[in-house]
Amino acid sequence: QQQVKQSPQSLIVQKGGIPIINCAYENTAFDYFPWYQQFPGKGPALLIAIRPDVSEKKEGRFTISFNKSAKQFSLHIMDSQPGDSATYFCAASKKGAQKLVFGQGTRLTINP
Amino acid sequence: DTEVTQTPKHLVMGMTNKKSLKCEQHMGHRAMYWYKQKAKKPPELMFVYSYEKLSINESVPSRFSPECPNSSLLNLHLHALQPEDSALYLCASSQGVGWSEAFFGQGTRLTVV
Repeated sequence: QQQVKQSPQSLIVQKGGIPIINCAYENTAFDYFPWYQQFPGKGPALLIAIRPDVSEKKEGRFTISFNKSAKQFSLHIMDSQPGDSATYFCAASKKGAQKLVFGQGTRLTINP
Repeated sequence: DTEVTQTPKHLVMGMTNKKSLKCEQHMGHRAMYWYKQKAKKPPELMFVYSYEKLSINESVPSRFSPECPNSSLLNLHLHALQPEDSALYLCASSQGVGWSEAFFGQGTRLTVV
């Protein structure tokens, strides 16, 4: 119940394409769903986050879509650039919890 | 300032050495965390400090010893580590309990020889 399942493990997209990374969870108590971007040798950086009271959130070229009934959420990157090549982790947490449950990560490559 | 600063960036230590990792934040965050990350894996929680008190220890071996001297600083003392402890050690902080707006440091790349 504490798992967050992330797919795909790796993804290659041409520049300008729209990579989509999907995550699914079981625990209905989760109420905070962040996405982290991590470059090699660096710490994860918070990219965008959503709470279950909205179905979509956009920040620049990054969009989270959230489907509460399906217990799924996804990250879309519009107009992808080679600089977006990184590992992306979805995660989930519940109110008051001090733990963040991470997905297994997606290694994204944007080809020029 | 939205930075979590970790030192050193790289550390090589022998199995009999004692060393410490340091983490600092000046965002007024009251929760601080240590994570361990192996290659191609997500970060794994080790310890959580909330208001300078240890609130979570994820059954971490005693060769790892955390310390929170004040609300801005977090240390991880290392002693008698094993080669399998080689990893990226990440510090993070958040404003209060719970994971809203948490920030990670750049990590310390630890190699145990």
